[in-house]
Amino acid sequence: GDSVTQMEGPVTLSEEAFLTINCTYTATGYPSLFWYVQYPGEGLQLLLKATKADDKGSNKGFEATYRKETTSFHLEKGSVQVSDSAVYFCALSDRYGNKLVFGAGTILRVKS
Amino acid sequence: DTAVSQTPKYLVTQMGNDKSIKCEQNLGHDTMYWYKQDSKKFLKIMFSYNNKELIINETVPNRFSPKSPDKAHLNLHINSLELGDSAVYFCASSQDGTPDYEQYFGPGTRLTVT
Repeated sequence: GDSVTQMEGPVTLSEEAFLTINCTYTATGYPSLFWYVQYPGEGLQLLLKATKADDKGSNKGFEATYRKETTSFHLEKGSVQVSDSAVYFCALSDRYGNKLVFGAGTILRVKS
Repeated sequence: DTAVSQTPKYLVTQMGNDKSIKCEQNLGHDTMYWYKQDSKKFLKIMFSYNNKELIINETVPNRFSPKSPDKAHLNLHINSLELGDSAVYFCASSQDGTPDYEQYFGPGTRLTVT
């Protein structure tokens, strides 16, 4: 079945450091890909998405590019802030759109 | 206005009890979902409904029964609660369930079974 693999955390960075969180997927066909973020004690919020190969999703300084050839959707940000501390989930939507399949989540901690 | 709301936010109960979690969305969406997040933060789909019809039941025990009285509500009833049911349960909705539309999540209900 479909699956998503994310790099294990926690990832601890200093403020203004560069962030990469790796995400690869296995799916039938061409799924839509998402990054969701969960701040402490809250529900998930969509951070960005890409619906076809070579699309780049971006929001709040975060970016990710849908790479079909490497089945990857890595999340990047050039300069992280303390307020970016959260759990980040990579996810794909199965081809019917009936569910999201999530990676295990990556905890990001940013120190000032 | 809250887009997807859940009640209660916290639920502490004993093994063997029956409990319900309510979910409402005011986005006019056709599709609603229940997800379970375990203690390691892993999220997994439980159910999805489209226009009050069950679309997905992801090998969830029969003790869990979703009910959708209308397309704005999807409630989760759990019978004979077990310790392993302790988790955070998230409700979500999307416009029509197609892959291109994002899912909007509620704030979660933390269920603790003692």
